[in-house]
Amino acid sequence: GAGVSQTPSNKVTEKGKYVELRCDPISGHTALYWYRQSLGQGPEFLIYFQGTGAADDSGLPNDRFFAVRPEGSVSTLKIQRTERGDSAVYLCASSLSLAGASGTGELFFGEGSRLTVL
Amino acid sequence: AQSVAQPEDQVNVAEGNPLTVKCTYSVSGNPYLFWYVQYPNRGLQFLLKYITGDNLVKGSYGFEAEFNKSQTSFHLKKPSALVSDSALYFCAVRVPNLSSGTYKYIFGTGTRLKVLA
Repeated sequence: GAGVSQTPSNKVTEKGKYVELRCDPISGHTALYWYRQSLGQGPEFLIYFQGTGAADDSGLPNDRFFAVRPEGSVSTLKIQRTERGDSAVYLCASSLSLAGASGTGELFFGEGSRLTVL
Repeated sequence: AQSVAQPEDQVNVAEGNPLTVKCTYSVSGNPYLFWYVQYPNRGLQFLLKYITGDNLVKGSYGFEAEFNKSQTSFHLKKPSALVSDSALYFCAVRVPNLSSGTYKYIFGTGTRLKVLA
């Protein structure tokens, strides 16, 4: 498809397990963001990639959370030793470029991965 | 601290009436401002943005927004609401991260718009 694709759409896991959430951005988009959205809240920034590198990971809540984008396209968000408080919808967004003043600025979002930790 | 505020959790409006969804921001400099809409079980969809120029910007589905620098507001408006406009609306601001030379988007908590037939 032409949009941002996220898999799985739903993931139910047990406390303490490891999960991986995948994001396939729009082809050619160099900027990629991960956000977390809890019920009744707005998206909360987690991490931003420009190309392969994490340009800003200041939103990751703790060292159980990690994300990679090895080839500058698909990204994987990894959560170790999941806790019930990690339950949320994890949103991925991509954009052409956010470097300097270039780019149109808007983000294109996937439909999210709903994570439930029991 | 940089932030975006959407003071109303929910806005109810009758179909055919004008609607306003409020947004104020607290950031330094001249930010880019955005509105996104989220339908149930869907990702956020871009509606419109303000970067510079005319304070009234027009976007998708007949929506527009007015930038007011003195009031640091960017309210979303539509002259005549439709039942299909019922959704969750998010205001967002793009701010520079000076330490990394990158940009970050800060979102408000969202306003649920309910258009009544």
